[in-house]
Amino acid sequence: QQPVQSPQAVILREGEDAVINCSSSKALYSVHWYRQKHGEAPVFLMILLKGGEQKGHEKISASFNEKKQQSSLYLTASQLSYSGTYFCGTEGGSQGNLIFGKGTKLSVKP
Amino acid sequence: GAGVSQSPRYKVAKRGQDVALRCDPISGHVSLFWYQQALGQGPEFLTYFQNEAQLDKSGLPSDRFFAERPEGSVSTLKIQRTQQEDSAVYLCASSSRIGEADTQYFGPGTRLTVL
Repeated sequence: QQPVQSPQAVILREGEDAVINCSSSKALYSVHWYRQKHGEAPVFLMILLKGGEQKGHEKISASFNEKKQQSSLYLTASQLSYSGTYFCGTEGGSQGNLIFGKGTKLSVKP
Repeated sequence: GAGVSQSPRYKVAKRGQDVALRCDPISGHVSLFWYQQALGQGPEFLTYFQNEAQLDKSGLPSDRFFAERPEGSVSTLKIQRTQQEDSAVYLCASSSRIGEADTQYFGPGTRLTVL
């Protein structure tokens, strides 16, 4: 029950906006978003919880539609540092292990 | 404070060799996860520890994979008789609490190449 991310890749000019989507076939309690640069650790961006609570990054916003089992990550006024692969993760079990999507590769050009 | 560290960062093994990968979680973190990340894919869950107890090993791909966390802090993932399909990045993550919806902090990973 791997979540499905879209788009697979996106290229932006600095300052442009992007939306990355994540959908699941099962009911969700939470959605986790990470960004990974090549050869580096995934870096935590945000958790969205059922009921509307969010925990995370100041410059990135996200939504969580519990009924549709979907989440979207909004990147506004993109910067070069936003480049990387974005992963959404959904719960795989009660202990908190995550099931990640295949990722969305974001490239921000000057 | 220090984040999650992993060693070695890179490991090259000949097919059939045994390898051991180390993870130092953030001090005091109760939960520890191991993930495997193939090239161009998202991380895939391998196993979970709550303190020293291994509570979930459902993601381990075969009985050649073994993990331990004897004192509830440092963890080691061991792969016996490595095969080419074991080549991947092995990521360790820790979190301060138990259960869902807690932030997992990832280490930089160990890139394993099996020749």
